[in-house]
Amino acid sequence: GAVVSQHPSRVICKSGTSVKIECRSLDFQATTMFWYRQFPKKSLMLMATSNEGSKATYEQGVEKDKFLINHASLTLSTLTVTSAHPEDSSFYICSARLASREQYFGPGTRLTVT
Amino acid sequence: ILNVEQSPQSLHVQEGDSTNFTCSFPSSNFYALHWYRWETAKSPEALFVMTLNGDEKKKGRISATLNTKEGYSYLYIKGSQPEDSATYLCAVVLNDYKLSFGAGTTVTVRA
Repeated sequence: GAVVSQHPSRVICKSGTSVKIECRSLDFQATTMFWYRQFPKKSLMLMATSNEGSKATYEQGVEKDKFLINHASLTLSTLTVTSAHPEDSSFYICSARLASREQYFGPGTRLTVT
Repeated sequence: ILNVEQSPQSLHVQEGDSTNFTCSFPSSNFYALHWYRWETAKSPEALFVMTLNGDEKKKGRISATLNTKEGYSYLYIKGSQPEDSATYLCAVVLNDYKLSFGAGTTVTVRA
Protein backbone atom coordinates (compact mmCIF):
# COMPACT_ATOMS: atom_id res chain seq x y z
CA GLY A 1 0.00 0.00 0.00
CA ALA A 2 0.84 3.72 0.10
CA VAL A 3 1.89 4.06 -3.52
CA VAL A 4 2.45 7.46 -5.07
CA SER A 5 2.83 7.94 -8.80
CA GLN A 6 4.23 10.88 -10.70
CA HIS A 7 3.77 11.76 -14.34
CA PRO A 8 5.68 12.37 -16.49
CA SER A 9 8.90 10.79 -15.33
CA ARG A 10 10.90 12.85 -17.76
CA VAL A 11 10.05 15.92 -19.81
CA ILE A 12 11.97 18.21 -22.13
CA CYS A 13 10.43 21.54 -22.99
CA LYS A 14 11.42 24.74 -24.72
CA SER A 15 12.17 27.90 -22.84
CA GLY A 16 9.04 29.98 -22.27
CA THR A 17 6.60 27.09 -22.26
CA SER A 18 4.77 25.69 -19.24
CA VAL A 19 4.98 22.17 -17.92
CA LYS A 20 2.54 20.35 -15.65
CA ILE A 21 3.62 17.52 -13.36
CA GLU A 22 1.05 15.28 -11.71
CA CYS A 23 1.35 13.56 -8.34
CA ARG A 24 -1.23 10.90 -7.44
CA SER A 25 -1.75 8.81 -4.34
CA LEU A 26 -2.98 5.53 -5.78
CA ASP A 27 -4.35 3.66 -2.79
CA PHE A 28 -4.95 6.26 -0.13
CA GLN A 29 -6.29 9.76 0.26
CA ALA A 30 -3.90 12.54 1.11
CA THR A 31 -5.06 15.90 2.37
CA THR A 32 -1.47 17.07 2.28
CA MET A 33 1.14 16.60 -0.42
CA PHE A 34 4.59 18.11 -0.65
CA TRP A 35 6.69 19.19 -3.63
CA TYR A 36 10.47 19.01 -3.51
CA ARG A 37 13.20 19.99 -5.90
CA GLN A 38 16.69 18.50 -6.16
CA PHE A 39 19.73 19.90 -7.91
CA PRO A 40 22.63 17.56 -8.77
CA LYS A 41 24.44 16.27 -5.70
CA LYS A 42 22.25 18.40 -3.45
CA SER A 43 19.56 17.49 -0.98
CA LEU A 44 15.83 17.43 -1.64
CA MET A 45 14.56 20.92 -0.90
CA LEU A 46 10.97 21.49 0.09
CA MET A 47 9.28 23.90 -2.31
CA ALA A 48 5.71 23.94 -1.07
CA THR A 49 3.01 22.19 0.90
CA SER A 50 -0.08 21.37 -1.11
CA ASN A 51 -3.34 21.25 0.84
CA GLU A 52 -6.49 19.78 -0.64
CA GLY A 53 -9.12 22.43 -1.14
CA SER A 54 -6.94 25.37 -0.14
CA LYS A 55 -3.98 27.38 -1.34
CA ALA A 56 -0.53 25.89 -1.24
CA THR A 57 2.01 27.14 1.26
CA TYR A 58 5.33 28.04 -0.33
CA GLU A 59 8.75 27.96 1.27
CA GLN A 60 10.82 31.09 1.42
CA GLY A 61 12.38 31.94 -1.91
CA VAL A 62 9.97 29.86 -4.01
CA GLU A 63 7.91 31.96 -6.42
CA LYS A 64 4.26 31.00 -6.20
CA ASP A 65 3.48 32.53 -9.59
CA LYS A 66 6.28 30.52 -11.14
CA PHE A 67 5.37 27.20 -9.56
CA LEU A 68 1.61 26.85 -9.56
CA ILE A 69 0.23 24.13 -7.32
CA ASN A 70 -3.29 22.77 -7.47
CA HIS A 71 -4.63 20.12 -5.10
CA ALA A 72 -8.12 19.64 -6.43
CA SER A 73 -8.81 16.21 -5.00
CA LEU A 74 -7.63 13.98 -2.18
CA THR A 75 -5.55 11.91 -4.59
CA LEU A 76 -4.11 14.45 -7.03
CA SER A 77 -1.80 17.43 -6.76
CA THR A 78 -0.27 19.15 -9.77
CA LEU A 79 2.76 21.38 -10.09
CA THR A 80 2.92 23.66 -13.12
CA VAL A 81 6.21 25.30 -13.95
CA THR A 82 5.16 28.41 -15.84
CA SER A 83 7.27 30.11 -18.49
CA ALA A 84 10.05 27.64 -17.87
CA HIS A 85 13.68 28.70 -18.26
CA PRO A 86 16.86 26.62 -18.33
CA GLU A 87 17.52 27.40 -14.66
CA ASP A 88 14.26 25.58 -13.84
CA SER A 89 15.80 22.36 -15.11
CA SER A 90 15.87 20.08 -12.12
CA PHE A 91 14.47 16.95 -10.54
CA TYR A 92 11.03 17.45 -8.99
CA ILE A 93 9.56 14.94 -6.58
CA CYS A 94 6.33 14.85 -4.64
CA SER A 95 5.22 13.11 -1.49
CA ALA A 96 1.83 12.40 0.01
CA ARG A 97 1.27 12.32 3.73
CA LEU A 98 -0.84 9.81 5.57
CA ALA A 99 -2.81 10.66 8.68
CA SER A 100 0.01 8.96 10.60
CA ARG A 101 2.31 11.74 9.30
CA GLU A 102 4.40 9.28 7.30
CA GLN A 103 5.28 10.63 3.86
CA TYR A 104 5.33 8.44 0.75
CA PHE A 105 7.20 9.63 -2.28
CA GLY A 106 6.66 9.49 -6.00
CA PRO A 107 9.52 8.45 -8.29
CA GLY A 108 10.19 12.01 -9.43
CA THR A 109 10.18 13.97 -12.67
CA ARG A 110 13.31 15.08 -14.52
CA LEU A 111 12.63 18.44 -16.19
CA THR A 112 14.98 19.75 -18.84
CA VAL A 113 14.33 23.18 -20.32
CA THR A 114 16.16 23.91 -23.55
CA ILE B 1 14.86 24.28 7.18
CA LEU B 2 17.63 22.55 9.14
CA ASN B 3 21.20 21.89 8.10
CA VAL B 4 21.35 18.11 7.80
CA GLU B 5 24.71 16.64 6.82
CA GLN B 6 25.39 13.15 5.55
CA SER B 7 28.82 11.61 5.19
CA PRO B 8 30.41 10.24 3.23
CA GLN B 9 28.75 11.41 0.03
CA SER B 10 29.48 8.03 -1.53
CA LEU B 11 31.16 4.80 -0.68
CA HIS B 12 32.08 1.54 -2.31
CA VAL B 13 31.95 -1.70 -0.36
CA GLN B 14 32.84 -5.23 -1.28
CA GLU B 15 30.04 -7.77 -1.25
CA GLY B 16 29.89 -9.41 2.15
CA ASP B 17 31.55 -6.53 3.97
CA SER B 18 29.74 -4.35 6.47
CA THR B 19 29.59 -0.58 6.34
CA ASN B 20 28.09 2.41 8.08
CA PHE B 21 27.56 6.09 7.47
CA THR B 22 26.40 9.15 9.31
CA CYS B 23 23.66 11.72 9.42
CA SER B 24 24.25 14.75 11.62
CA PHE B 25 21.78 17.48 12.51
CA PRO B 26 21.25 20.31 15.00
CA SER B 27 20.28 18.69 18.29
CA SER B 28 17.98 21.45 19.48
CA ASN B 29 14.23 21.17 18.83
CA PHE B 30 14.58 17.62 17.52
CA TYR B 31 11.33 15.87 16.73
CA ALA B 32 12.07 12.79 14.62
CA LEU B 33 14.46 11.40 12.02
CA HIS B 34 13.67 9.32 8.97
CA TRP B 35 15.94 7.10 6.92
CA TYR B 36 15.01 6.39 3.29
CA ARG B 37 16.50 4.06 0.73
CA TRP B 38 16.39 5.42 -2.84
CA GLU B 39 17.15 3.34 -5.88
CA THR B 40 17.55 4.99 -9.26
CA ALA B 41 14.25 5.56 -11.10
CA LYS B 42 12.24 4.45 -8.09
CA SER B 43 10.52 6.19 -5.20
CA PRO B 44 12.40 6.69 -1.95
CA GLU B 45 11.43 3.85 0.35
CA ALA B 46 11.00 4.47 4.07
CA LEU B 47 13.37 2.42 6.22
CA PHE B 48 13.07 3.79 9.74
CA VAL B 49 11.46 6.49 11.79
CA MET B 50 13.35 7.31 14.97
CA THR B 51 12.31 9.63 17.73
CA LEU B 52 13.96 8.82 21.05
CA ASN B 53 17.56 9.29 22.11
CA GLY B 54 19.20 5.88 22.08
CA ASP B 55 16.68 4.41 19.63
CA GLU B 56 17.92 1.43 17.67
CA LYS B 57 15.94 0.08 14.74
CA LYS B 58 16.62 -2.98 12.59
CA LYS B 59 15.24 -4.26 9.31
CA GLY B 60 16.98 -7.36 8.05
CA ARG B 61 20.67 -6.56 7.61
CA ILE B 62 20.14 -2.82 7.97
CA SER B 63 20.03 -1.09 11.33
CA ALA B 64 20.16 2.46 12.64
CA THR B 65 20.94 4.24 15.87
CA LEU B 66 20.03 7.70 17.07
CA ASN B 67 21.77 10.14 19.41
CA THR B 68 19.63 13.24 19.79
CA LYS B 69 21.86 14.85 22.43
CA GLU B 70 24.85 15.07 20.12
CA GLY B 71 22.82 15.24 16.92
CA TYR B 72 23.71 12.21 14.85
CA SER B 73 22.36 8.93 13.53
CA TYR B 74 24.27 6.00 12.07
CA LEU B 75 22.99 3.58 9.46
CA TYR B 76 24.66 0.19 9.36
CA ILE B 77 24.56 -2.41 6.59
CA LYS B 78 25.78 -5.83 7.65
CA GLY B 79 27.10 -8.26 5.03
CA SER B 80 26.43 -5.92 2.07
CA GLN B 81 24.78 -7.39 -1.00
CA PRO B 82 24.54 -5.91 -4.52
CA GLU B 83 20.84 -5.18 -3.92
CA ASP B 84 21.87 -2.82 -1.11
CA SER B 85 23.29 -0.45 -3.73
CA ALA B 86 21.24 2.72 -3.44
CA THR B 87 21.30 6.23 -2.09
CA TYR B 88 20.40 6.43 1.58
CA LEU B 89 18.72 9.64 2.66
CA CYS B 90 18.15 10.90 6.13
CA ALA B 91 15.58 13.56 6.91
CA VAL B 92 14.96 15.40 10.13
CA VAL B 93 11.40 16.27 11.02
CA LEU B 94 10.63 19.76 12.18
CA ASN B 95 7.82 20.36 14.62
CA ASP B 96 5.51 21.24 11.73
CA TYR B 97 6.17 17.83 10.16
CA LYS B 98 8.21 19.24 7.31
CA LEU B 99 11.26 17.20 6.34
CA SER B 100 14.77 18.60 6.02
CA PHE B 101 16.89 16.23 4.00
CA GLY B 102 20.58 15.51 3.85
CA ALA B 103 22.18 15.11 0.42
CA GLY B 104 22.40 11.35 0.83
CA THR B 105 25.08 8.67 0.91
CA THR B 106 25.34 6.62 -2.28
CA VAL B 107 26.38 3.06 -1.57
CA THR B 108 27.77 0.85 -4.32
CA VAL B 109 28.28 -2.80 -3.47
CA ARG B 110 30.84 -4.55 -5.65
CA ALA B 111 30.33 -8.23 -6.33
